[in-house]
Amino acid sequence: QSVLTQPPSVSAAPGQRVTISCTGSNSNIGAGSDVQWYQQVPGTAPKVLIYGDNLRPSGVPDRFSASKSGTSASLAISGLQAEDEADFYCQSYDTSLRGWVFGGGTKLTVL
Amino acid sequence: EVQLLESGGGLVQPGGSLRLSCVATGFPFSIFAMGWVRQSPGKGLEWVSTLHNDRLTTHYAKSVRGRFTISRDNSMNTLFLQMNSLRAEDTAIYFCAKFQGQEVSDYYFDFWGQGTLVTVSS
Repeated sequence: QSVLTQPPSVSAAPGQRVTISCTGSNSNIGAGSDVQWYQQVPGTAPKVLIYGDNLRPSGVPDRFSASKSGTSASLAISGLQAEDEADFYCQSYDTSLRGWVFGGGTKLTVL
Repeated sequence: EVQLLESGGGLVQPGGSLRLSCVATGFPFSIFAMGWVRQSPGKGLEWVSTLHNDRLTTHYAKSVRGRFTISRDNSMNTLFLQMNSLRAEDTAIYFCAKFQGQEVSDYYFDFWGQGTLVTVSS
């Protein structure tokens, strides 16, 4: 059972928009800890997509955006492309556990 | 270019030990916190341990506390993870990761290695 809760899977057609939710608690997201999002293509290392709640590293397309409110966060991907198909993880810091926590991951399928 | 190269994984019996290494290049290793994240087969990501750049401040996940020890050699740009009393549930790919951020609450993993597989089985 992950500390951060994500839907196991989402799907949408190419060109569509999809959102992935990440629900935490008052000891992590609600405590003001930053939320990050990572993309992992199976068989490869994760790559940071979003850091600091809604900031994109250089090289990440602006089709990827994120927001945070209260104890939850969400990742939005617009103009879906086939190469976006991957597993997505949210991550934050938990002040009660004194450690870094991940969501269980969401598998994105581009139909 | 930042590169992180892990080594030391392999097959070990329950109760055994392994030492993982991660050689870092392309950035000033000594000034950044570093950590380990693992991924069991077909499962999600699990943070394992963090070592700050002071080489003293450590954090461990509850699942490995007391069995794993993280350390670093800044002269060799290398991060280590000593794993003792290994269990079947420790079987996973272990990723070395570089931290970015000002405080622990905004630390995140900005670069990752490709991982090394640890299999605990008799």
